Amino acid sequence: GAVVSQHPSRVICKSGTSVKIECRSLDFQATTMFWYRQFPKQSLMLMATSNEGSKATYEQGVEKDKFLINHASLTLSTLTVTSAHPEDSSFYICSASVWPDRDSNEKLFFGSGTQLSVL
Amino acid sequence: ELKVEQNPLFLSMQEGKNYTIYCNYSTTSDRLYWYRQDPGKSLESLFVLLSNGAVKQEGRLMASLDTKARLSTLHITAAVHDLSATYFCAVDNFGNEKLTFGTGTRLTIIP
Repeated sequence: GAVVSQHPSRVICKSGTSVKIECRSLDFQATTMFWYRQFPKQSLMLMATSNEGSKATYEQGVEKDKFLINHASLTLSTLTVTSAHPEDSSFYICSASVWPDRDSNEKLFFGSGTQLSVL
Repeated sequence: ELKVEQNPLFLSMQEGKNYTIYCNYSTTSDRLYWYRQDPGKSLESLFVLLSNGAVKQEGRLMASLDTKARLSTLHITAAVHDLSATYFCAVDNFGNEKLTFGTGTRLTIIP
């Protein structure tokens, strides 16, 4: 299957600082990428949809000024958590949609995730 | 609003036993996914189910989809310890790859 690289895998930061998380599709072009967050022992919640060259679409309740998403190329989307606070501590996971379709079944591939801890 | 529910939420089972995890969703679905997640890790894709009556099997795991009942099942046959993980179903109900995840089932296989 296709590979989605997410970096960093773990980050610890002080409250008030900003953190950038990168999501790269390594061997395919992804017109659309998705960002999810997962609190401990809970399910994944979609935060936003990122489309190359256009503004991200945020899910209800997600602060767009706090979670800045940039999809500058067909292989890279970034999520920046601005002015991070302890309540932003979570596991963030990206996924990328394959384009053009190489396999009609498997269209989505997930990154390895980023554990953010805000002190 | 699409809701996806799994049951059970927690499952402890002995090695060698069979069991089924259920995934119910509230609206029509374009496709349904099953994922495995180990602690501290991301998601491992297990199955993608596209149509009513779809059945897929890989090793000791078998997934099925009944779109009329809005139900998918993940059946575990002769469980082994390596299958201990959290299993999620996820629904893409508009075909736009935006997934709504189920609550997850934490499976523990006891030797």
